[in-house]
Amino acid sequence: QLQPQESGPGLVKPSETLSLTCTVSGGSITSSSYYWGWIRQPPGKGLEWIGSIYYSGNTYYNPSLNSRVTISVDTSKNQFSLKLRSVTAADTAVYYCARGRLGTYISWGQGTLVTVSS
Amino acid sequence: SYELTQPPSVSVSPGQTASITCSGDKLGEKYASWYQQKPGQSPVLVIFQNTKRPSGIPERFSGSNSGNTATLTISGTPAMDEADYYCQAWDSSTVWVFGGGTKLTVL
Repeated sequence: QLQPQESGPGLVKPSETLSLTCTVSGGSITSSSYYWGWIRQPPGKGLEWIGSIYYSGNTYYNPSLNSRVTISVDTSKNQFSLKLRSVTAADTAVYYCARGRLGTYISWGQGTLVTVSS
Repeated sequence: SYELTQPPSVSVSPGQTASITCSGDKLGEKYASWYQQKPGQSPVLVIFQNTKRPSGIPERFSGSNSGNTATLTISGTPAMDEADYYCQAWDSSTVWVFGGGTKLTVL
């Protein structure tokens, strides 16, 4: 079973870039059966889709974040990553990476809390 | 942008049937999924492609999707199903969208 797991800094300063990595275990990230995504959840609030990347490299982003987001894949490390630029306190959230197929997200990482604060 | 609307809360008595709705424009033309999230845990997929259950998800969970509304139904709800539930829609134009979530209380 392909399982994703997030890693990265838990604290980012305002105006800087949030960078997270998702490491996939149990198989290859290049499997054509799946896509990979980032979803976030501000404390006490609901889920917000950030973006997804297919094995082909095609990416799709939430229009509300599109100008600040980049998702990329490093197949040599079996990882994909998230970069969110110019962060503010509103970007404080638990960030999840997930494996997807058929329009849904099948399995999720445990999540990592990122706080934006000086 | 596309939006999905869920009731903030739903209550059900133990052993009864709980229904949670998710509304969006022409939602029935998209794929709907449902996720269960308990406090401090990651979301768990319980329904995908409108009506399908992943392996390991109990049969008491079922889904439907028609018109502008998708519905998650939990039959014979046990106390352990108390959680937040999120709908999610997808199609090639919508990309991925989540509803605001519904807190299911079993009391």
